[in-house]
Amino acid sequence: AQSVTQLDSQVPVFEEAPVELRCNYSSSVSVYLFWYVQYPNQGLQLLLKYLSGSTLVKGINGFEAEFNKSQTSFHLRKPSVHISDTAEYFCAVSETNFGNEKLTFGTGTRLTIIP
Amino acid sequence: DGGITQSPKYLFRKEGQNVTLSCEQNLNHDAMYWYRQDPGQGLRLIYYSQIVNDFQKGDIAEGYSVSREKKESFPLTVTSAQKNPTAFYLCASSMARQGNTEAFFGQGTRLTVV
Repeated sequence: AQSVTQLDSQVPVFEEAPVELRCNYSSSVSVYLFWYVQYPNQGLQLLLKYLSGSTLVKGINGFEAEFNKSQTSFHLRKPSVHISDTAEYFCAVSETNFGNEKLTFGTGTRLTIIP
Repeated sequence: DGGITQSPKYLFRKEGQNVTLSCEQNLNHDAMYWYRQDPGQGLRLIYYSQIVNDFQKGDIAEGYSVSREKKESFPLTVTSAQKNPTAFYLCASSMARQGNTEAFFGQGTRLTVV
């Protein structure tokens, strides 16, 4: 079985400062990794995904994440945040074997940008 | 525009009543999913379906039922057996092919028991 841990439930950051949201996963097989963003009372929108290849993945809105297999991590980063980045962020994992595509989510990190 | 439509956006239910949440997609995706979201608990999988006329229980299926009679539709019924149904419900779909498990989400239905 796979699992995802987001250690920080809330992260306050000043506007234009850098941010890192942490995500660690556990799985007995190789995985695909995702970061989703959720604005209040809305569904989830994909920020970026790691399927294979380069371990540094770039996504929308200036976000990027790095897959580290040895540390089983997939931390999300942005060099300079904006007020509009205030939202909840979810890390998710799915197994790579066909027939088991369901996603397992972390508990989320609420990012608050301080003007 | 292609996407996933959930209805209604807000739903109120009296205790002891069954209620059905609608989810329709026009993305031609094979797989569909229902998640429940509670504050501080992230998203938990209720049911999923990878093909028409077939579905599997997720992690918290008790008190819920689904059907998948058409590829485009995956309704969720919250039964009176669900002891704490007040939550935000999210439907998603994906192509369910190896290497392409990106899920697309609807805007959610907020269910409140009154």
